[in-house]
Amino acid sequence: SAVISQKPSRDICQRGTSLTIQCQVDSQVTMMFWYRQQPGQSLTLIATANQGSEATYESGFVIDKFPISRPNLTFSTLTVSNMSPEDSSIYLCSVEEFAQGQDEQFFGPGTRLTVL
Amino acid sequence: DAKTTQPPSMDCAEGRAANLPCNHSTISGNEYVYWYRQIHSQGPQYIIHGLKNNETNEMASLIITEDRKSSTLILPHATLRDTAVYYCIVSSGNQFYFGTGTSLTVIP
Repeated sequence: SAVISQKPSRDICQRGTSLTIQCQVDSQVTMMFWYRQQPGQSLTLIATANQGSEATYESGFVIDKFPISRPNLTFSTLTVSNMSPEDSSIYLCSVEEFAQGQDEQFFGPGTRLTVL
Repeated sequence: DAKTTQPPSMDCAEGRAANLPCNHSTISGNEYVYWYRQIHSQGPQYIIHGLKNNETNEMASLIITEDRKSSTLILPHATLRDTAVYYCIVSSGNQFYFGTGTSLTVIP
């Protein structure tokens, strides 16, 4: 299975600033995904990031707030812009890999963001 | 939106089988049932998935009803390290919509 790393693992930021989260995979993958997990909640899909095309955002998420880059098949970034305390969450990336005859998703360890 | 419902929490004695139910009454014919778990402060971990046949791997067994409207994840001999939130997801492709999951506590 793919090995996924995220940077930073955690950060504490001031409101109004922006943070860029990096996701690195040890193999080339077509589909990458970004999720948010608010405190005590389940995971919510933010967007799907394909290499060479614009990210596709889920309802309630917009590019101006969460711009995403996908420059190659092993890397993606998610920026949380103009942060407020409500953005305090764990942000996770995942990748889709074909295994055992079916597409599976593998998740990174997450980035824990606290906004003051 | 999530298409699954799960009990919010369950307890299981160490060494016993843990049976985690999931309802997915609106599942479509081309949708698979996936199970993931999330141990505190870690990313979700894949457990097992299936379409309509029962599946077994080194971690768990997945029992899907004949009408595919519900399924059960079975951890045959639960250990303390199996304490986690377990998510049941139905998906036909690559978008995963997580429900609230079941918080399983394995009791010594």
